[in-house]
Amino acid sequence: EDKVVQSPLSLVVHEGDTVTLNCSYEVTNFRSLLWYKQEKKAPTFLFMLTSSGIEKKSGRLSSILDKKELFSILNITATQTGDSAVYLCAVAAGGTSYGKLTFGQGTILTVHP
Amino acid sequence: DAGVIQSPRHEVTEMGQEVTLRCKPISGHDYLFWYRQTMMRGLELLIYFNNNVPIDDSGMPEDRFSAKMPNASFSTLKIQPSEPRDSAVYFCASKPEGHANFNEQFFGPGTRLTVL
Repeated sequence: EDKVVQSPLSLVVHEGDTVTLNCSYEVTNFRSLLWYKQEKKAPTFLFMLTSSGIEKKSGRLSSILDKKELFSILNITATQTGDSAVYLCAVAAGGTSYGKLTFGQGTILTVHP
Repeated sequence: DAGVIQSPRHEVTEMGQEVTLRCKPISGHDYLFWYRQTMMRGLELLIYFNNNVPIDDSGMPEDRFSAKMPNASFSTLKIQPSEPRDSAVYFCASKPEGHANFNEQFFGPGTRLTVL
């Protein structure tokens, strides 16, 4: 059974801090890893990383994938109160499970002014 | 373009009643997913469809849950009879084939279900 574990489960920081969120996984026939942000409503897509794209960056957010060690990190620099959300990591497998995502428990990030 | 549409947004019902949740995926998307989210268990996949055909329903908790997709623009998730432990937020998501981010799923706003 595919498994995704995120850490920490919650994190409280002040504006301007840099945070690192972790995601480790076990999946048969790995295809990609995705990060989503959820702010009291639907999850919204941040990044997708694959074997051919192991690092992504968008503004203050960046993510890397270590396919050998089976983990990914999401970095947020110069955090703002608007970054407060639950960050979800998910993995996608290929083969007969194509299209299916397995999500981790999420990391609750709270950014204080 | 309209995103994934779900209805109702909130549902409060009593134990034993039938509940039907509805979803309209983004036009042209080939995959539709039903998820349940709770504090204890996080976001769990219940069932998903490809071209209206159920592919994997191994996440459906028990026979009280059923899902249908009669056409490409509509799906339902039914719980009958409902129980208090079914209280959760139910999300519908859809995904196109051939998208650049090929595993990205687009989520609807969710239905918050409370069973008293």
